[in-house]
Amino acid sequence: RKEVEQDPGPFNVPEGATVAFNCTYSNSASQSFFWYRQDCRKEPKLLMSVYSSGNEDGRFTAQLNRASQYISLLIRDSKLSDSATYLCVVTGAGGFKTIFGAGTRLFVKA
Amino acid sequence: DTEVTQTPKHLVMGMTNKKSLKCEQHMGHRAMYWYKQKAKKPPELMFVYSYEKLSINESVPSRFSPECPNSSLLNLHLHALQPEDSALYLCASSKAGGIETQYFGPGTRLLVL
Repeated sequence: RKEVEQDPGPFNVPEGATVAFNCTYSNSASQSFFWYRQDCRKEPKLLMSVYSSGNEDGRFTAQLNRASQYISLLIRDSKLSDSATYLCVVTGAGGFKTIFGAGTRLFVKA
Repeated sequence: DTEVTQTPKHLVMGMTNKKSLKCEQHMGHRAMYWYKQKAKKPPELMFVYSYEKLSINESVPSRFSPECPNSSLLNLHLHALQPEDSALYLCASSKAGGIETQYFGPGTRLLVL
């Protein structure tokens, strides 16, 4: 079993749609959780940190469920500019050891 | 300023060459990272420096040699690489703790012939 697993993509959605990505992690001692987005041939950029209480930033909502070892990202009212690869990132116990999920590719169509 | 810079942007080298990748940040971060990313794959952690000391080496072959001359600079020395080492090499930095957000540089795209 991979340490961090994400929904297989790609997701093809029309503009305005709501789309949800899921991610599971295997190490219950993992300490911090993030969603990054990566555009083609660019570096990953932080989208959101993820907290147990849930957090929202405009059209984006992230949630962490420690009991189920599950992270989610919800994108509402999708824009063409949301087309990218979304990477679930988990930092292991003791910090520093950082594991990326394989990424989920999103295509938003006009 | 949340910028991490990397040089060069592109590098082509032969298997007998010696080259170095450079990374710099001026955010006062005390942790710096090297990642390797192959096409259509996620970044894979190679090395972590914390307070200029090597904290993590993810069983990387010795032909890759990291160096952290000071808290703002991180180098990756390359020697006798193989064609399969061709990839995007990403540098990142974070505040002191490993649980903090990492900020990535634009990467060096390396081709080994």
